[in-house]
Parts: sequence; structure tokens; C-alpha cells
Amino acid sequence: DVVMTQSPLSLPVTLGQPASLSCRSSQSLVHTDGNIYLSWFQQRPGQPPRRLIYKISDRDSGVPDRFSGSGSGTDFTLKISRVEAEDVAIYYCMQGTHWPYTFGQGTKLQIK
Amino acid sequence: EMLLVESGGGVVQPGRSLRLSCAGSGSLFDVHGMHWVRQAPGKGLEWVSGFISGTGRVDYADSVKGRFTVSRDNAENFLHLQMNSLTEDDTAFYYCAKDRDPGGLKYWGQGALVIVSS
Repeated sequence: DVVMTQSPLSLPVTLGQPASLSCRSSQSLVHTDGNIYLSWFQQRPGQPPRRLIYKISDRDSGVPDRFSGSGSGTDFTLKISRVEAEDVAIYYCMQGTHWPYTFGQGTKLQIK
Repeated sequence: EMLLVESGGGVVQPGRSLRLSCAGSGSLFDVHGMHWVRQAPGKGLEWVSGFISGTGRVDYADSVKGRFTVSRDNAENFLHLQMNSLTEDDTAFYYCAKDRDPGGLKYWGQGALVIVSS
């Protein structure tokens, strides 16, 4: 199975400042169709996960443009340009290229 | 926007069985996958099972293989997860989720809580 490793596991950020979350896969996520199915999810307390980003950098509708995804190969990043109070959550990366789908451990974003 | 709703959660003794169901506001069964993902209290996300009706592909996490079975109910547009030989390690919120695009888990239900306890 593909192992997804996120860092840091905890990220204190000052309001209005940027945040960068990292995700690394144990093997290539290039699908046979040429795409890389790497997604980012936000999970607020007591809520189900919400997908923010898919295929590395495509933003889902309704997701603020302060969220952006990037990466290639086995290294991927979720960036928040200016953290707001509503961004407090746990963020998970997930690969959907290979079955079983696998998630990272999550990065808990907190306000400093 | 697809809405998903899980049902069937509850408290069950170790060794017993439980069946979860997932209903959708639109067709659950197309070329994209339907999945079950679980989350133990205070823990991360774990993919449990996936199903693609278009290809008949089904797969399970090693932790549930041989004990859990996914099935579809075409007439009623339900996806079921039959869980047998439950252990306390199966205690979790169980979410059904649907791909809108390959490998993407775009749509999620609110989750059904399963507690395995004597």
C-alpha cells in the first residue's frame, strides 16, 4: 500500500499569516491515465471531511482561493496564503491513484 | 451536489454483525467509485472499502477483508456495508463517500457511528 506522510503534524499559525502543509508519498502517484490523484481534505471538529483540492492543484468549487495545492513526483504541498480563524481544522492528504486509497496522518492547524 | 446519508449505526457486542446503508440524492452507481471510510474517535481517516459498479471492481482494506462485504441495491439506490465478526477496533464513524472524478472522494455523508462494546 502507498504510505502518505504528512508534516508537520501540528502547525500553529498567526492569523493573517501563510501556512504550508507537506505530504509525501512512498511511491509514484502517476496513474495509468497520466493523472496524479492527490487530494487535500479539511476536517473541522464534529464534521465530515470536505475536499478542497483534487489532482494536486484543482480547487473544488466554493473553496476560497487562499487555498492552493502544488507538487509533483512524490512531494505535495497545500498552502494557505492568509490563515483565517475558520481554517482551524485537521488537513489530510489522500492518494486515489492506487487502491487502496490511503490518507496521511493529518496536520492540525491551530491559531497561535 | 450529491447528498449522501448513512444509516444503521449503533452499539453492538464483539463478534456480532451490523449492516450500514448509504443513500444518495442522485444515482450512486455510475463509472465513479463509491467508498466507505472510517474514523476511530480522535484518530485519522482509514479507507475501508471501494466499489465501482461500472467495472464491478470491489476491494477492502486488509483490516476488514473477509469480515466486511459491500453490496448494492439498484432498485432503492443504496450501498450497503455488511460488517461481521466485529471487534472493538472497528469502533468508528463510518462515512460513505463518492468519487465525482477518479480517485477523488468528492462527496461525503455525515457518518454513522458504530460502537463495538460488551
